[in-house]
Amino acid sequence: GAGVSQSPSNKVTEKGKDVELRCDPISGHTALYWYRQSLGQGLEFLIYFQGNSAPDKSGLPSDRFSAERTGGSVSTLTIQRTQQEDSAVYLCASSFRPDGETQYFGPGTRLLVL
Amino acid sequence: GESVGLHLPTLSVQEGDNSIINCAYSNSASDYFIWYKQESGKGPQFIIDIRSNMDKRQGQRVTVLLNKTVKHLSLQIAATQPGDSAVYFCAESMNTGFQKLVFGTGTRLLVSP
Repeated sequence: GAGVSQSPSNKVTEKGKDVELRCDPISGHTALYWYRQSLGQGLEFLIYFQGNSAPDKSGLPSDRFSAERTGGSVSTLTIQRTQQEDSAVYLCASSFRPDGETQYFGPGTRLLVL
Repeated sequence: GESVGLHLPTLSVQEGDNSIINCAYSNSASDYFIWYKQESGKGPQFIIDIRSNMDKRQGQRVTVLLNKTVKHLSLQIAATQPGDSAVYFCAESMNTGFQKLVFGTGTRLLVSP
């Protein structure tokens, strides 16, 4: 069946450029999450969506990071004026409900900022 | 155990052995725990979960043990196979309306044929 999909799978950009990362959650899943995984590290929570609203965006590292979700489905994570320390794998997950439900992850977008 | 930085703790086993991967969690108020498996270049894959009102849960070839007294979680894999080679992450959460997962840094499992 269709899982969580993310695009692009890889993104190389120059320092100072803006990037957009896309997540398509599993159909019917109301909750959507973004995480960041730096090289050799565990996953770091960024933001959580319930429907189109983001009750918790406490993990966003700076105001250069923003995310939105439309139609209760697709989400876009935008990083403005990218820095080299933004290089990481950005993972999206979704769950049927936000509480007590398993989060299923996409394959991630590998971002490299030169 | 846990590690910091790029040097993941590594567990090397022979095919057919049983594997035990350990995790120390940080928040005594956490009530939900999950193990994920991550293969190179892929996203984390759910293995098994357990709630704080349980101390053991079994799945297919996997068992999770929870010791709340010492805040310790373990994943046991029976008859380990080469396909089990991956990085394994434990995650904890405290339900605050949603499951905000806090991940450990992972353990690399290497299975030799």
